[in-house]
Amino acid sequence: SQQGEEDPQALSIQEGENATMNCSYKTSINNLQWYRQNSGRGLVHLILIRSNEREKHSGRLRVTLDTSKKSSSLLITASRAADTASYFCAPLIQGAQKLVFGQGTRLTINP
Amino acid sequence: NAGVTQTPKFQVLKTGQSMTLQCAQDMNHEYMSWYRQDPGMGLRLIHYSVGAGITDQGEVPNGYNVSRSTTEDFPLRLLSAAPSQTSVYFCASSYRTSGRLYNEQFFGPGTRLTVL
Repeated sequence: SQQGEEDPQALSIQEGENATMNCSYKTSINNLQWYRQNSGRGLVHLILIRSNEREKHSGRLRVTLDTSKKSSSLLITASRAADTASYFCAPLIQGAQKLVFGQGTRLTINP
Repeated sequence: NAGVTQTPKFQVLKTGQSMTLQCAQDMNHEYMSWYRQDPGMGLRLIHYSVGAGITDQGEVPNGYNVSRSTTEDFPLRLLSAAPSQTSVYFCASSYRTSGRLYNEQFFGPGTRLTVL
């Protein structure tokens, strides 16, 4: 499969803690994208990291990319209840023209 | 801009019926795609298009047809609905800024389809 695979499948933490989600993929990529989905809604794009980048920040989000290990991680710092959602990674495979998603990580932030 | 719009929001069909899910975007995006999402699952790609007149299959194309006659519209047709097609369907669009690399996808709100 060309899709990203997220790990863990589910994560439950206390508000204020940091949350880390991981993504692995199998072939060379052009970029890798992270999305959030609140229950019953469409996906919202969070951050895109290109294959020649190693780290990217956006507010409380930090994404890393290790192309040698074919893996990426999403770190959410100082989590809030509103961060409760499912998070998906989607690698854009080199030579492909489609984004294929994994099953996601369900993140629950407990007050 | 309205972004990506989908109609209807909800639909109930009987087995064997056909219908078309509508998707439109007003951002002049070249790329459009259809996904289905089953409970507790990720998104599976059904069909996608890289421009008007060009479509291709994704992971789960059987039972679905698409066409792309304009840049704005990308309808998904269910030929003969089956209970296994009960799902939430999402349409998305994207654009290129350089070369052939696509950027982030913009998603519609989804259509909840139930096939009895």
